[in-house]
Amino acid sequence: GESVGLHLPTLSVQEGDNSIINCAYSNSASDYFIWYKQESGKGPQFIIDIRSNMDKRQGQRVTVLLNKTVKHLSLQIAATQPGDSAVYFCAENIYGGSQGNLIFGKGTKLSVKP
Amino acid sequence: DGGITQSPKYLFRKEGQNVTLSCEQNLNHDAMYWYRQDPGQGLRLIYYSQIVNDFQKGDIAEGYSVSREKKESFPLTVTSAQKNPTAFYLCASRDSGEAKDTQYFGPGTRLTVL
Repeated sequence: GESVGLHLPTLSVQEGDNSIINCAYSNSASDYFIWYKQESGKGPQFIIDIRSNMDKRQGQRVTVLLNKTVKHLSLQIAATQPGDSAVYFCAENIYGGSQGNLIFGKGTKLSVKP
Repeated sequence: DGGITQSPKYLFRKEGQNVTLSCEQNLNHDAMYWYRQDPGQGLRLIYYSQIVNDFQKGDIAEGYSVSREKKESFPLTVTSAQKNPTAFYLCASRDSGEAKDTQYFGPGTRLTVL
């Protein structure tokens, strides 16, 4: 869901469980999507990307799923670890667009319990 | 953080002062961006530059200024006209190489108005 004011949506999981973080994107014309991880006090870190000609893309312990019909993106983290605790947010744009400007979601805070 | 550096990490400003935040990249990227991040908020675009000696206003440019005299450098000045400058500032550069069109971020500068 969308955050309001200072409060981000929070997902709390047990260490070793799988995590699923969701994102609804806004622009029907967007065809390129990125997931970032941001630890407290640090800059966002690129995790994985996907283009709209794909429904699924896998990385190391992460999978991104794209549902263009409902404009929904999800990030799955397998065997979640304490080091995965961070804010995760998605970004969208038009691949190869002249400006390259990204539209960012507000993010979801992932908290991993040991 | 890749090859993007920001300095200083923490910056304190008195009311009425202008301050300049540094951003340097050695990734040979043409496009660079400045964002502002407030607690619980998504990233908001301040200014961006597609090429040396050219830059455009983003969504919240008022009270800010930039220059792009070198490909590697994109400094941001927060002027006294910015009424609420306390925030976390992030610089990014665009990687639009083969099969990728994403932005990589620096570590950020936290600006506090005293």
